[in-house]
Amino acid sequence: DIQLTQSPSFLSTSVGDSVTITCRASQDIRSYLAWYQQRPGKAPKLLIYAASTLLSGVPSRFSGSGSGTEFTLTISSLQPEDFATYHCQQLNSYPLTFGGGTQVEIK
Amino acid sequence: QVQLQESGPGLVKPSETLSLTCTVSGDSISGYYWSWFRQPPGKRLEWMGYSYYSGSTNYNPSLKSRVTISVDTSKNQFSLRLSSVTAADTAVYYCARRDTTGYYYPWGQGTLVTVSS
Repeated sequence: DIQLTQSPSFLSTSVGDSVTITCRASQDIRSYLAWYQQRPGKAPKLLIYAASTLLSGVPSRFSGSGSGTEFTLTISSLQPEDFATYHCQQLNSYPLTFGGGTQVEIK
Repeated sequence: QVQLQESGPGLVKPSETLSLTCTVSGDSISGYYWSWFRQPPGKRLEWMGYSYYSGSTNYNPSLKSRVTISVDTSKNQFSLRLSSVTAADTAVYYCARRDTTGYYYPWGQGTLVTVSS
């Protein structure tokens, strides 16, 4: 199975700040990576697919980059509704796997 | 727009079979792949498997011998069965559609299933 390692696992930051979350894959997954946002008690919500394509309706302050084994999610100018947990998921091969999540909290 | 809703018992006894249904509204179930995911408390998300609307399936090898996913096109629903459950199967279970992009959205709101006697 492909292992995904997210860092950091926890981030304390302020409204208006920019944050970058990293997802590293244990082997080449090309660009088959998705990023999800999950608020407490809610389902994961797809933000970005194919490593860098923003899902329609997702604010442009979210961006993704990377290919191969290293990927990043950047949120510029954090808004109050962005404080949540973010997960990466690889879809290069089965079984599909997820990173351990990054919790973004208000400082 | 398409919406998914999980339903089923919130409490299952050890060694029994967990059964959940996902009802799809706003679009036909035909033409898509339908998946189940789960998230045990404090753990990462896990993909359990998928069924194409026509019936072909693919399961996570970690669950393969215990999991069955099936689609009922007449009811616009798909189902999950997980046999011989233990406390380790306690989790929030989510259903999701694999979009034409190949990625998973939308997801259902999730349902907590606790395995306990």
